[in-house]
Amino acid sequence: GDSVTQMEGPVTLSEEAFLTINCTYTATGYPSLFWYVQYPGEGLQLLLKATKADDKGSNKGFEATYRKETTSFHLEKGSVQVSDSAVYFCALKRGETGGFKTIFGAGTRLFVKA
Amino acid sequence: NAGVTQTPKFQVLKTGQSMTLQCAQDMNHNSMYWYRQDPGMGLRLIYYSASEGTTDKGEVPNGYNVSRLNKREFSLRLESAAPSQTSVYFCASSASGQSVMFLFFGSGTQLSVL
Repeated sequence: GDSVTQMEGPVTLSEEAFLTINCTYTATGYPSLFWYVQYPGEGLQLLLKATKADDKGSNKGFEATYRKETTSFHLEKGSVQVSDSAVYFCALKRGETGGFKTIFGAGTRLFVKA
Repeated sequence: NAGVTQTPKFQVLKTGQSMTLQCAQDMNHNSMYWYRQDPGMGLRLIYYSASEGTTDKGEVPNGYNVSRLNKREFSLRLESAAPSQTSVYFCASSASGQSVMFLFFGSGTQLSVL
């Protein structure tokens, strides 16, 4: 079945450091890929998405590129801030044959120190 | 802009008690979902409703029932709570069943079963 694997956390970085959170997926066909972010005490919210191979999603300085050849969707940010401290979830969603359900990775907690 | 509203925010139950978690969305979305979030396991789908009048089981439906009351409301019922149901529960909605449509989440219900 479909699955998403993320690097385990927590990830601890100093402010202005470069961030990479790895994400790989297993799915048939061509799923849409997403990164969601969960700030403390809140629900998840969409950070960025990509719907086909080689698409790059971007938002708030974060980027991720849909790599079909490596089945990956790694999240990157060039310079993190303390306010980026949160839990990040990689997710995929297939169309009709997948029942329109979103499959989530386990989440990666990021701590950014001032 | 209310978005997705869940009630209650916190609940403590004794084993065997029942309760209903309420969810309402004001975005005219067709599809609604219930997820549970457990440490290290990401989000797992309990039940979903692709459209008004339909409900389907997700990954972990045992011990739960749902009702799609109307297009706006989707409730989750625990008939006889068990300690294994201690979790954070999130309701979500999406505009349609298409793969590119992402999820809007409520702020969650922290449930403890003693």
